[in-house]
Amino acid sequence: AQKVTQAQTEISVVEKEDVTLDCVYETRDTTYYLFWYKQPPSGELVFLIRRNSFDEQNEISGRYSWNFQKSTSSFNFTITASQVVDSAVYFCALSDPLSDSWGKFQFGAGTQVVVTP
Amino acid sequence: NAGVTQTPKFQVLKTGQSMTLQCAQDMNHEYMSWYRQDPGMGLRLIHYSVGAGITDQGEVPNGYNVSRSTTEDFPLRLLSAAPSQTSVYFCASSSTGIRYTFGSGTRLTVV
Repeated sequence: AQKVTQAQTEISVVEKEDVTLDCVYETRDTTYYLFWYKQPPSGELVFLIRRNSFDEQNEISGRYSWNFQKSTSSFNFTITASQVVDSAVYFCALSDPLSDSWGKFQFGAGTQVVVTP
Repeated sequence: NAGVTQTPKFQVLKTGQSMTLQCAQDMNHEYMSWYRQDPGMGLRLIHYSVGAGITDQGEVPNGYNVSRSTTEDFPLRLLSAAPSQTSVYFCASSSTGIRYTFGSGTRLTVV
């Protein structure tokens, strides 16, 4: 069975601080996909990244970076120099190649990030 | 380009009532899905569709029906609302089955 654990319920930071969100996953599949989604106060989910299990290269996109470590089954997400607009709930999710096309993700419970000025 | 549009945004139902949550997308996406979001549980898949006329059950389908008569629309029907169906409902669509675009959600309360 697949499982995604986001142990941090809420993280509060002051603007310009870095914040790292932890994501630990469990799966028996050798091929799988990992995602991060952002849910701002407006409610919609915004896609941030998709990573397949064969690609362990870390990725940086602007102030966002992702650290995928297969050895520890982790896919952590760091926001550098946080801004108030980063305040949102962030979800980590997992899928396998078959159910991936169905939209069947295993979501974590989410981490609320609060950035204060 | 409207993306994925969900209506209504808010709804209060009495136990036993039925209703339809609407979802429409204008991106000609083949894949569409419905999820519910409950506190502390992330999103769970209710039903999904891989094209017009093709639907299947997800993780938590009981109490819900769907149909997909057109590519654009994917309505979710609650047959007889129960308090356990109080949740936020999201519809999503994708052209590739890889990157999904989500609607802004419908907040449903069943009393």
